[in-house]
Amino acid sequence: EAGVAQSPRYKIIEKRQSVAFWCNPISGHATLYWYQQILGQGPKLLIQFQNNGVVDDSQLPKDRFSAERLKGVDSTLKIQPAKLEDSAVYLCASSLHNEQFFGPGTRLTVL
Amino acid sequence: GNSVTQMEGPVTLSEEAFLTINCTYTATGYPSLFWYVQYPGEGLQLLLKATKADDKGSNKGFEATYRKETTSFHLEKGSVQVSDSAVYFCALSPTQGGSEKLVFGKGTKLTVNP
Repeated sequence: EAGVAQSPRYKIIEKRQSVAFWCNPISGHATLYWYQQILGQGPKLLIQFQNNGVVDDSQLPKDRFSAERLKGVDSTLKIQPAKLEDSAVYLCASSLHNEQFFGPGTRLTVL
Repeated sequence: GNSVTQMEGPVTLSEEAFLTINCTYTATGYPSLFWYVQYPGEGLQLLLKATKADDKGSNKGFEATYRKETTSFHLEKGSVQVSDSAVYFCALSPTQGGSEKLVFGKGTKLTVNP
Protein backbone atom coordinates (compact mmCIF):
# COMPACT_ATOMS: atom_id res chain seq x y z
CA GLU A 1 0.00 0.00 0.00
CA ALA A 2 1.36 3.42 -0.95
CA GLY A 3 2.04 5.80 1.89
CA VAL A 4 1.20 9.47 2.31
CA ALA A 5 2.79 11.48 -0.49
CA GLN A 6 3.90 15.08 -0.18
CA SER A 7 5.47 17.55 -2.55
CA PRO A 8 7.70 19.35 -2.89
CA ARG A 9 10.18 17.85 -0.45
CA TYR A 10 12.12 21.10 -0.12
CA LYS A 11 11.25 24.72 -0.79
CA ILE A 12 13.22 27.91 -0.32
CA ILE A 13 11.47 31.26 -0.63
CA GLU A 14 11.97 34.83 0.46
CA LYS A 15 9.80 36.44 3.10
CA ARG A 16 6.55 37.92 1.84
CA GLN A 17 6.39 35.38 -1.00
CA SER A 18 3.67 32.76 -1.15
CA VAL A 19 4.09 28.98 -1.17
CA ALA A 20 1.87 25.92 -1.45
CA PHE A 21 2.32 22.34 -0.33
CA TRP A 22 0.48 19.32 -1.63
CA CYS A 23 -0.53 16.12 0.14
CA ASN A 24 -2.02 12.90 -1.21
CA PRO A 25 -3.23 10.70 1.67
CA ILE A 26 -3.43 6.93 1.76
CA SER A 27 -6.33 5.74 -0.36
CA GLY A 28 -9.54 5.49 1.62
CA HIS A 29 -8.35 7.51 4.60
CA ALA A 30 -11.09 9.96 5.49
CA THR A 31 -9.13 12.02 8.00
CA LEU A 32 -6.24 14.25 6.95
CA TYR A 33 -3.99 16.40 9.12
CA TRP A 34 -1.41 19.12 8.54
CA TYR A 35 1.30 19.67 11.15
CA GLN A 36 4.06 22.24 11.50
CA GLN A 37 7.36 20.99 12.95
CA ILE A 38 9.80 23.73 13.84
CA LEU A 39 13.42 22.62 14.29
CA GLY A 40 13.97 21.16 17.74
CA GLN A 41 10.26 20.85 18.52
CA GLY A 42 7.58 18.26 18.12
CA PRO A 43 4.93 18.54 15.42
CA LYS A 44 2.07 20.96 16.10
CA LEU A 45 -1.35 20.33 14.59
CA LEU A 46 -2.46 23.07 12.22
CA ILE A 47 -5.67 21.67 10.75
CA GLN A 48 -7.69 18.46 10.63
CA PHE A 49 -10.08 17.48 7.83
CA GLN A 50 -12.75 14.81 7.90
CA ASN A 51 -13.43 14.06 4.23
CA ASN A 52 -13.60 17.59 2.77
CA GLY A 53 -14.82 19.32 5.94
CA VAL A 54 -12.68 21.08 8.54
CA VAL A 55 -12.85 19.46 12.00
CA ASP A 56 -10.28 21.56 13.82
CA ASP A 57 -8.33 24.60 12.64
CA SER A 58 -7.92 26.30 16.01
CA GLN A 59 -4.12 26.48 15.70
CA LEU A 60 -4.00 27.60 12.07
CA PRO A 61 -2.81 31.22 11.68
CA LYS A 62 -5.67 32.15 9.43
CA ASP A 63 -4.33 35.56 8.52
CA ARG A 64 -1.66 33.92 6.38
CA PHE A 65 -2.32 30.16 6.26
CA SER A 66 -5.08 28.45 4.35
CA ALA A 67 -5.84 24.84 3.54
CA GLU A 68 -8.36 22.99 1.46
CA ARG A 69 -9.26 19.42 0.69
CA LEU A 70 -11.32 19.43 -2.45
CA LYS A 71 -13.25 16.21 -3.14
CA GLY A 72 -12.09 14.79 0.17
CA VAL A 73 -8.83 13.36 -1.18
CA ASP A 74 -5.80 15.54 -1.92
CA SER A 75 -5.09 18.60 0.16
CA THR A 76 -3.09 21.79 -0.25
CA LEU A 77 -1.68 24.07 2.44
CA LYS A 78 -0.82 27.61 1.46
CA ILE A 79 1.13 30.36 3.17
CA GLN A 80 0.71 33.92 1.92
CA PRO A 81 2.73 35.96 2.73
CA ALA A 82 5.47 33.91 4.35
CA LYS A 83 7.41 35.10 7.38
CA LEU A 84 10.83 34.04 8.63
CA GLU A 85 9.23 32.16 11.53
CA ASP A 86 7.35 29.92 9.08
CA SER A 87 10.59 28.05 8.38
CA ALA A 88 9.74 24.50 9.40
CA VAL A 89 8.88 21.05 8.14
CA TYR A 90 5.23 20.72 7.16
CA LEU A 91 3.91 17.23 7.73
CA CYS A 92 0.79 15.69 6.33
CA ALA A 93 -0.82 12.66 7.94
CA SER A 94 -3.90 10.58 7.26
CA SER A 95 -5.82 8.09 9.35
CA LEU A 96 -8.60 5.55 9.05
CA HIS A 97 -8.83 3.54 12.26
CA ASN A 98 -7.10 5.24 15.15
CA GLU A 99 -3.61 5.38 13.69
CA GLN A 100 -2.08 8.32 11.90
CA PHE A 101 0.32 7.68 9.01
CA PHE A 102 2.74 10.47 8.24
CA GLY A 103 4.24 11.61 4.98
CA PRO A 104 7.93 12.54 4.62
CA GLY A 105 7.22 16.25 4.99
CA THR A 106 8.12 19.41 3.11
CA ARG A 107 11.03 21.39 4.49
CA LEU A 108 10.38 25.13 4.04
CA THR A 109 13.13 27.70 4.42
CA VAL A 110 12.10 31.35 4.42
CA LEU A 111 14.98 33.77 3.81
CA GLY B 1 -4.39 22.13 28.61
CA ASN B 2 -2.81 18.98 27.26
CA SER B 3 0.97 18.77 27.15
CA VAL B 4 3.83 16.29 26.93
CA THR B 5 7.26 16.66 28.45
CA GLN B 6 10.06 14.32 27.46
CA MET B 7 13.69 14.18 28.46
CA GLU B 8 15.94 16.39 26.44
CA GLY B 9 18.61 14.85 24.32
CA PRO B 10 20.70 14.09 22.67
CA VAL B 11 21.22 10.64 24.14
CA THR B 12 24.30 8.70 23.07
CA LEU B 13 24.66 5.01 23.93
CA SER B 14 26.85 2.11 22.97
CA GLU B 15 25.34 -0.87 21.22
CA GLU B 16 23.59 -3.31 23.59
CA ALA B 17 23.14 -0.65 26.30
CA PHE B 18 19.83 -0.18 28.12
CA LEU B 19 17.67 2.71 26.98
CA THR B 20 15.18 4.80 28.90
CA ILE B 21 13.56 7.94 27.53
CA ASN B 22 11.32 9.62 30.08
CA CYS B 23 7.94 11.05 29.15
CA THR B 24 5.34 12.66 31.38
CA TYR B 25 2.06 14.18 30.38
CA THR B 26 -0.65 16.55 31.51
CA ALA B 27 -4.17 15.89 30.33
CA THR B 28 -7.77 15.91 31.44
CA GLY B 29 -9.76 12.75 31.20
CA TYR B 30 -8.29 9.56 29.82
CA PRO B 31 -5.83 10.20 27.02
CA SER B 32 -4.22 7.67 24.72
CA LEU B 33 -0.41 7.68 24.70
CA PHE B 34 2.01 7.07 21.85
CA TRP B 35 5.65 6.84 20.96
CA TYR B 36 6.61 7.82 17.41
CA VAL B 37 10.03 7.37 15.80
CA GLN B 38 11.59 9.40 13.03
CA TYR B 39 14.54 7.78 11.27
CA PRO B 40 16.90 10.05 9.35
CA GLY B 41 15.30 11.28 6.14
CA GLU B 42 11.99 9.54 6.83
CA GLY B 43 8.55 10.45 8.12
CA LEU B 44 7.20 9.80 11.59
CA GLN B 45 6.24 6.20 12.29
CA LEU B 46 4.13 4.87 15.11
CA LEU B 47 6.35 2.76 17.38
CA LEU B 48 3.86 1.75 20.07
CA LYS B 49 0.78 2.94 21.90
CA ALA B 50 -1.33 2.41 25.00
CA THR B 51 -4.94 3.44 25.34
CA LYS B 52 -5.68 2.98 29.04
CA ALA B 53 -3.99 2.93 32.43
CA ASP B 54 -1.60 0.02 33.08
CA ASP B 55 -1.56 -0.96 29.41
CA LYS B 56 1.87 -1.83 28.07
CA GLY B 57 2.68 -1.03 24.46
CA SER B 58 5.51 -2.94 22.81
CA ASN B 59 7.14 -3.21 19.41
CA LYS B 60 10.60 -4.05 18.03
CA GLY B 61 11.92 -4.67 21.56
CA PHE B 62 10.70 -1.29 22.83
CA GLU B 63 8.20 -1.09 25.69
CA ALA B 64 6.27 1.62 27.51
CA THR B 65 3.69 1.32 30.30
CA TYR B 66 0.84 3.80 30.78
CA ARG B 67 1.15 4.92 34.43
CA LYS B 68 -1.76 7.09 35.41
CA GLU B 69 -0.58 7.55 39.01
CA THR B 70 2.67 9.14 37.84
CA THR B 71 1.28 10.47 34.52
CA SER B 72 4.19 8.83 32.74
CA PHE B 73 4.85 6.73 29.65
CA HIS B 74 8.59 6.05 29.68
CA LEU B 75 10.14 4.29 26.68
CA GLU B 76 12.56 1.43 27.37
CA LYS B 77 14.62 -1.07 25.43
CA GLY B 78 16.89 -3.65 26.96
CA SER B 79 19.59 -3.71 24.28
CA VAL B 80 19.81 -0.98 21.66
CA GLN B 81 21.23 -1.41 18.19
CA VAL B 82 22.88 1.03 15.82
CA SER B 83 19.74 0.86 13.70
CA ASP B 84 17.73 2.35 16.60
CA SER B 85 19.43 5.71 16.05
CA ALA B 86 16.57 8.12 15.43
CA VAL B 87 14.47 10.84 17.04
CA TYR B 88 11.77 9.58 19.39
CA PHE B 89 8.59 11.55 20.12
CA CYS B 90 6.14 10.96 22.93
CA ALA B 91 2.59 12.06 22.16
CA LEU B 92 -0.92 12.00 23.56
CA SER B 93 -4.39 12.10 22.13
CA PRO B 94 -7.07 13.46 24.44
CA THR B 95 -9.47 10.95 22.91
CA GLN B 96 -9.62 7.68 24.84
CA GLY B 97 -8.74 4.93 22.40
CA GLY B 98 -8.29 7.41 19.59
CA SER B 99 -5.46 9.11 17.79
CA GLU B 100 -6.91 12.52 17.00
CA LYS B 101 -5.55 15.93 18.03
CA LEU B 102 -2.10 14.54 18.80
CA VAL B 103 0.05 16.65 21.12
CA PHE B 104 3.77 15.89 20.82
CA GLY B 105 6.78 16.32 23.05
CA LYS B 106 9.88 18.01 21.67
CA GLY B 107 11.59 14.78 20.73
CA THR B 108 14.72 13.01 21.96
CA LYS B 109 17.52 12.24 19.55
CA LEU B 110 19.16 8.88 20.16
CA THR B 111 22.52 7.94 18.70
CA VAL B 112 23.79 4.40 19.15
CA ASN B 113 27.46 3.80 18.49
CA PRO B 114 28.88 0.39 17.51
